[in-house]
Amino acid sequence: DTAVSQTPKYLVTQMGNDKSIKCEQNLGHDTMYWYKQDSKKFLKIMFSYNNKELIINETVPNRFSPKSPDKAHLNLHINSLELGDSAVYFCASSQVAETEAFFGQGTRLTVV
Amino acid sequence: DQQVKQNSPSLSVQEGRISILNCDYTNSMFDYFLWYKKYPAEGPTFLISISSIKDKNEDGRFTVFLNKSAKHLSLHIVPSQPGDSAVYFCAASAKGNKLVFGAGTILRVKS
Repeated sequence: DTAVSQTPKYLVTQMGNDKSIKCEQNLGHDTMYWYKQDSKKFLKIMFSYNNKELIINETVPNRFSPKSPDKAHLNLHINSLELGDSAVYFCASSQVAETEAFFGQGTRLTVV
Repeated sequence: DQQVKQNSPSLSVQEGRISILNCDYTNSMFDYFLWYKKYPAEGPTFLISISSIKDKNEDGRFTVFLNKSAKHLSLHIVPSQPGDSAVYFCAASAKGNKLVFGAGTILRVKS
């Protein structure tokens, strides 16, 4: 029974398209995150939500818009995809903000 | 600006020996440190953490040491097992602010 699940696992799309990645956690956690792992393998936080409210919004282009319909879900919508958006995106959740986070399996996004 | 640095991209260790993974940080406000383990095509998995009020935390084969004056922490795995082969990420946060991750160290345990 997966704790943090994100779909799809792989996403290949053309430049200019709009795509969404879904994330759900069944741990009852209050805080959810989106991280990006770039080509240099750094994991960098993009967004953090606590009880459906945005609490961290790093310097991310406004083409990226997170949506949290309830505290168990945090979806990531990306408009007008660019080549540089190619990366692995991880969803995560934690009970207390910025403590032990549980990660999803990642979504490898390739923009061609 | 890399506030958390893992200067060794990779480490190779014989099965049964000790693995020591190192991590340095620059932000003196960091007060909570974590280690994550990541297998290919999977998300990072939390391994062990330490608060800045401690200098050591142990959980089975895994021990994390924190040297605040040197702004350095290390993860010791004893004895190392082939299943420990993975990428290990060090992470730190300051008073509940965002987690900052290092670039990771690839550990290979040879049998």
